Amino acid sequence: GAVVSQHPSWVICKSGTSVKIECRSLDFQATTMFWYRQFPKQSLMLMATSNEGSKATYEQGVEKDKFLINHASLTLSTLTVTSAHPEDSSFYICSAIWRYEAFFGQGTRLTVV
Amino acid sequence: GENVEQHPSTLSVQEGDSAVIKCTYSDSASNYFPWYKQELGKRPQLIIDIRSNVGEKKDQRIAVTLNKTAKHFSLHITETQPEDSAVYFCAASIGQNFVFGPGTRLSVLP
Repeated sequence: GAVVSQHPSWVICKSGTSVKIECRSLDFQATTMFWYRQFPKQSLMLMATSNEGSKATYEQGVEKDKFLINHASLTLSTLTVTSAHPEDSSFYICSAIWRYEAFFGQGTRLTVV
Repeated sequence: GENVEQHPSTLSVQEGDSAVIKCTYSDSASNYFPWYKQELGKRPQLIIDIRSNVGEKKDQRIAVTLNKTAKHFSLHITETQPEDSAVYFCAASIGQNFVFGPGTRLSVLP
């Protein structure tokens, strides 16, 4: 199967700062990657679809200016949480599709203090 | 768009018993139905999948059934073990578009 690597696996930041999360497809090219947010004991909530070389597509209710997505290459998408607040604390996870199967990164646990 | 419902939201079974999780989907064009297992703090991992041209698929203690007419599919785990305890997600997919169910927290009691 394919491997999707996400970094960092956990991060603690102060309120008002920005945090960047990277998602890499290690052994395949992904023109599209997906970013999810997961609250404790809840499902995967799709935040946005990251498209290589073009703008990301955001789900309704997700602030595009707060959650900046960049997909500059076929193997890397980044999610930047800008001006983080404690309510942004969550588990963020990316995925990419390879041969019609979804592969997930390890996830990033963000804690904003 | 596609909507996936999943039941139950929580399920507790005794070790050795069977567990069944059911999902329904709304878009008849969906043609791929994977099931993922997510352990606490880890990434979801594919455990079994089924395509729309197949009615049933089995892999050791895990099986999935699909009823295209009724637009529902189910995960069956037999002879459950404590290590089966996790959150299970179903999904319905067309191409690269995946819609996930809300998840089922399965607890296998020793």
